[in-house]
Amino acid sequence: RKEVEQDPGPFNVPEGATVAFNCTYSNSASQSFFWYRQDCRKEPKLLMSVYSSGNEDGRFTAQLNRASQYISLLIRDSKLSDSATYLCVVNLWTEYGNKLVFGAGTILRVKS
Amino acid sequence: SQTIHQWPATLVQPVGSPLSLECTVEGTSNPNLYWYRQAAGRGLQLLFYSVGIGQISSEVPQNLSASRPQDRQFILSSKKLLLSDSGFYLCAWSRGGGYTFGSGTRLTVV
Repeated sequence: RKEVEQDPGPFNVPEGATVAFNCTYSNSASQSFFWYRQDCRKEPKLLMSVYSSGNEDGRFTAQLNRASQYISLLIRDSKLSDSATYLCVVNLWTEYGNKLVFGAGTILRVKS
Repeated sequence: SQTIHQWPATLVQPVGSPLSLECTVEGTSNPNLYWYRQAAGRGLQLLFYSVGIGQISSEVPQNLSASRPQDRQFILSSKKLLLSDSGFYLCAWSRGGGYTFGSGTRLTVV
């Protein structure tokens, strides 16, 4: 079983739509959680951290359910510029330091 | 401010040739450093990470190796490249928080 699992998509949505991505992780010792965005042939960039209480950043809302080991990202009022791959990421603490484990990503395509 | 440099941006190497990719970080000290690889259409795979000079943890058995000769320098190497080594190699650093990635090296082994 993969440590972080995501639906690869692609999700094809019209501008203005609301879209939700889900992610599950297998290691209950996971310490912290993030969503990264990766544009085609570019490096990943941090989109937002994910907190148990849920957090919002503009049109983006992230939720974490530790009991179910489930993370979500909601994008409201989608823009063409939101088209990208969204990576679900968990941070694990090991005796050698912390490491980020990435899901394979969910592709979003927003169309006019 | 902190910056991370990774080079070269693209590389085409024949099978069996050696490899050396370098990553350096500026503006911070004692960072955690990481090498990831992303194969075409796949997720990021952690290859190596380091919490200090000379300290390397390997995640996946392969024909690659990593070294950290200085605090802010992380090197990925191979003595003989395989076709399966092709991919997008990303260096990243962190210091107790989120990661920042370099711009990556796109390696094609032919």
